[in-house]
Amino acid sequence: DAGVIQSPRHEVTEMGQEVTLRCKPISGHDYLFWYRQTMMRGLELLIYFNNNVPIDDSGMPEDRFSAKMPNASFSTLKIQPSEPRDSAVYFCASSFTSGGSLSYNEQFFGPGTRLTVL
Amino acid sequence: GENVEQHPSTLSVQEGDSAVIKCTYSDSASNYFPWYKQELGKRPQLIIDIRSNVGEKKDQRIAVTLNKTAKHFSLHITETQPEDSAVYFCAASYSGGGADGLTFGKGTHLIIQP
Repeated sequence: DAGVIQSPRHEVTEMGQEVTLRCKPISGHDYLFWYRQTMMRGLELLIYFNNNVPIDDSGMPEDRFSAKMPNASFSTLKIQPSEPRDSAVYFCASSFTSGGSLSYNEQFFGPGTRLTVL
Repeated sequence: GENVEQHPSTLSVQEGDSAVIKCTYSDSASNYFPWYKQELGKRPQLIIDIRSNVGEKKDQRIAVTLNKTAKHFSLHITETQPEDSAVYFCAASYSGGGADGLTFGKGTHLIIQP
């Protein structure tokens, strides 16, 4: 398996523009997570999905951020309009759980998208 | 929500010595505690994890201990090598019948001095 795939790897845009980040989870994984990493705030959970359904979006910073998962192999994170403070590395991660009381929760991270908003 | 504190923020050790990184968590319901290693410009990669039903887990030169009563867990790296230099993150989550998002500590920059 190729692992979690993210695109683009780097994105430079101007303030006010729309940005769309893409993620393909590992085949067969039923959970997908979006994280953001900055020097100031570290690694933060933004939102996660189970079987394509959003479960917890309490980490999404504001209404400018939205995420979708139209099918099991694709998710997007959209920022509209983008602002300089959105500059960060955005990671997508996926995991598989058996559903039992001790279900496994190892999360595999993608390579990340480095977003710079000028 | 969960809050994870991690110490120290930077740790410098001589090659061959041991390194210990400590984390505390706030939510007593958390039962899954992974450790990730992140090299500069790379993705976080899981190096070891522990569940709340065990107190210690070891994998070659790395080990993790968990004290549920005190709500803290630690990463131990023995016989450190130059390739151990990286940023290490602890995390906590609840996993019971499904997954949950991870709450990460702020990271420890481990420097191995030759």
